[in-house]
Amino acid sequence: AQTVTQSQPEMSVQEAETVTLSCTYDTSESDYYLFWYKQPPSRQMILVIRQEAYKQQNATENRFSVNFQKAAKSFSLKISDSQLGDAAMYFCAYRSDGKTYQLIWGAGTKLIIKP
Amino acid sequence: KAGVTQTPRYLIKTRGQQVTLSCSPISGHRSVSWYQQTPGQGLQFLFEYFSETQRNKGNFPGRFSGRQFSNSRSEMNVSTLELGDSALYLCASSSGAPLSGNTIYFGEGSWLTVV
Repeated sequence: AQTVTQSQPEMSVQEAETVTLSCTYDTSESDYYLFWYKQPPSRQMILVIRQEAYKQQNATENRFSVNFQKAAKSFSLKISDSQLGDAAMYFCAYRSDGKTYQLIWGAGTKLIIKP
Repeated sequence: KAGVTQTPRYLIKTRGQQVTLSCSPISGHRSVSWYQQTPGQGLQFLFEYFSETQRNKGNFPGRFSGRQFSNSRSEMNVSTLELGDSALYLCASSSGAPLSGNTIYFGEGSWLTVV
């Protein structure tokens, strides 16, 4: 069975600085998707970024980028130029390819932005 | 385009009662998934539906059930409520069958409190 681990329950960063959130996963599958979701106080899950396992290039979405290390089963999220609106819970999630939309979630990291 | 709509947003039930939660996916989306989110267990997958068929089910007791209608709207039901069922229930929708990396969109959730 697949598992996702986020070892940082809470992280804090100064506004405008860069922060990296860690995620590791375990799987025996070769094809899968990885996601970072943001959950603000409103509780709606918002997709931040996604990565297909077959792609070697790291995904980037504006200030958000990932460091995907397939062999190490590591998938970290880097947030550049942190903004107050980035404060939220961040969840790493795994999805098998082509079989199901089921997401397997990490425990989450609470990101605090200091003004 | 309207997002994923969940109703009711908040509800309080008594132990032993049953509850029905509703989810209207994004127009055109045929896949609906449900998740339970609690502080202790985190995010856990309940079930997944596509074209009125349950495609996948998580590890929850039989008190948890769901269905999907021909218009893709979905309901989940929890019978004989227990205190531990208090949680945020999230619904997500995606277009098409899970054959590709279609984006998964979430609703704002239904907060269930069991007293």
